[in-house]
Amino acid sequence: EPEVTQTPSHQVTQMGQEVILRCVPISNHLYFYWYRQILGQKVEFLVSFYNNEISEKSEIFDDQFSVERPDGSNFTLKIRSTKLEDSAMYFCASSARTSGSSETQYFGPGTRLLVL
Amino acid sequence: DQQVKQNSPSLSVQEGRISILNCDYTNSMFDYFLWYKKYPAEGPTFLISISSIKDKNEDGRFTVFLNKSAKHLSLHIVPSQPGDSAVYFCAAVGGFQKLVFGTGTRLLVSP
Repeated sequence: EPEVTQTPSHQVTQMGQEVILRCVPISNHLYFYWYRQILGQKVEFLVSFYNNEISEKSEIFDDQFSVERPDGSNFTLKIRSTKLEDSAMYFCASSARTSGSSETQYFGPGTRLLVL
Repeated sequence: DQQVKQNSPSLSVQEGRISILNCDYTNSMFDYFLWYKKYPAEGPTFLISISSIKDKNEDGRFTVFLNKSAKHLSLHIVPSQPGDSAVYFCAAVGGFQKLVFGTGTRLLVSP
């Protein structure tokens, strides 16, 4: 069964450093998302991406964040200068939305980011 | 922002019995709802969904009920199994396909 994969599973970084989280969405999916879950809190939407551009982003997704689909398979989230409060579990998701309907989003296993 | 609420942080059920997990929402623009199951340190796993044009959707042991007038949905698991023990999240589709999640309900099914 196709699945979303994410690398690395864990990332430890120093405050102020740049990190890139990688995701390989399900191959025939067209819509891609990043969510995060701070320990003990709910899963929060960060950004959605379609046709090589951001469709929607939350207030969390400020100028320190960027997303890219550098090739036909990868989807990345970059945090330019990490802060302590960026420590969280980051989930990538993808969906095969058909026009005019909502589609199920399938999630990857997550990357646990710890900023020291 | 509490657009999707799961008021029960935990639920304990005996194996073989019914588990009922509840979810309330405030935004009447939500038109699609999903339930996800999550184990610690793993991503949410899709269970079942329902469109706002329906009031019930069933898939094996899982049934989701939607009451639009009450802005309430529930997930029924019958019969419950120990392997169902996990955190269950209700989510609604808002905006351009973004999911708005509830805070989750931890289900414990004891043998």
